Amino acid sequence: GAVVSQHPSRVICKSGTSVKIECRSLDFQATTMFWYRQFPKQSLMLMATSNEGSKATYEQGVEKDKFLINHASLTLSTLTVTSAHPEDSSFYICSASTFGQGGYTFGSGTRLTVV
Amino acid sequence: QQQVKQSPQSLIVQKGGISIINCAYENTAFDYFPWYQQFPGKGPALLIAIRPDVSEKKEGRFTISFNKSAKQFSLHIMDSQPGDSATYFCAAFSDPRQLTFGSGTQLTVLP
Repeated sequence: GAVVSQHPSRVICKSGTSVKIECRSLDFQATTMFWYRQFPKQSLMLMATSNEGSKATYEQGVEKDKFLINHASLTLSTLTVTSAHPEDSSFYICSASTFGQGGYTFGSGTRLTVV
Repeated sequence: QQQVKQSPQSLIVQKGGISIINCAYENTAFDYFPWYQQFPGKGPALLIAIRPDVSEKKEGRFTISFNKSAKQFSLHIMDSQPGDSATYFCAAFSDPRQLTFGSGTQLTVLP
């Protein structure tokens, strides 16, 4: 089945630094990828839709200058959290559309802790 | 506005029992209804899904029941096992392809 690889699984960074999270579709091409944020015991909140070769579409309330998304190839999308602060600590999850195989396939998530 | 309402928030079931999670939606444009299972520290994984022209779908111990007129659907886990302990999310697709999640149900199956 379709596999989405997300890296790193955990990252701890200092306040003010930037962190990059990678999301790769391993055995299929994903023209569209999605980035979610999940707080403890809560549902997934869509942050942005990443389209290969074009600018990402951000959901209302998501700072596009803070959460930079790049989708430079059909198999890779990256999310960079710039000038991270403790309130950015969260679980970030990417997904890719795989409608031929049952919907969206999700990555394993990245636990970001900003200290 | 939450378009997919999920209940209960948490559920405790004895091993071998039946776990039932319910969802209701408002948007009649939804055309595909997946359920996802999420273990702590992991991303959601597709469990089972159904289209609105089908009233029931069964895969192993997992069954989706779908009531189009009531705009409700539910997940039944038969013979629940401790390994089923996870958070379950119902979801719905609409065009353009956007996935709307329910709020999640934390299932605990006691040994």
